[in-house]
Amino acid sequence: GENVEQHPSTLSVQEGDSAVIKCTYSDSASNYFPWYKQELGKRPQLIIDIRSNVGEKKDQRIAVTLNKTAKHFSLHITETQPEDSAVYFCAASKNTGFQKLVFGTGTRLLVSP
Amino acid sequence: DVKVTQSSRYLVKRTGEKVFLECVQDMDHENMFWYRQDPGLGLRLIYFSYDVKMKEKGDIPEGYSVSREKKERFSLILESASTNQTSMYLCASSFWTGDYGYTFGSGTRLTVV
Repeated sequence: GENVEQHPSTLSVQEGDSAVIKCTYSDSASNYFPWYKQELGKRPQLIIDIRSNVGEKKDQRIAVTLNKTAKHFSLHITETQPEDSAVYFCAASKNTGFQKLVFGTGTRLLVSP
Repeated sequence: DVKVTQSSRYLVKRTGEKVFLECVQDMDHENMFWYRQDPGLGLRLIYFSYDVKMKEKGDIPEGYSVSREKKERFSLILESASTNQTSMYLCASSFWTGDYGYTFGSGTRLTVV
């Protein structure tokens, strides 16, 4: 089955810096890659996703890139702010009708003022 | 506008008790999922359901069962609670194809003593 590895497990940056979180997946048939943000004590929420027919997607300060050949995808956050501090999860699935996500182990991002 | 509701935010149960965790969604989603979240292990899938009365085992089903008698409700049952089931339990739902990703509940923190 699918396996998703996520690095780093923790990431500390200064406000205004960029942050990059990387994930690799094992199943070449996977074609949907969402990212979730979980603030302390709150539910995970979808922040951005990408499908395998697209190499990059941006939404204001966040972007996701996908390299299908290498089977890895990354989340990029620019101009980080303290409210970006959270745990971020990547996930992957094969969208063959029914979708079942496999999650990475999460990255705790701390943005210091 | 809470869309996925978990009945309890915190629960404390004794070893050997039968425990019911309830999840209700109001988005007419076909798919519903139960995950447990542990530090360093990310989100691990326990069970999922893609239709009423249908259920499938996830990656860690041992010690758990589920029930889906109505489309909007998905229950997780711990047949005989044990201390290693102390965890955060997250319910999620999605459309069949996964369009728009998963919507998570707020979670139930279960402590088994």
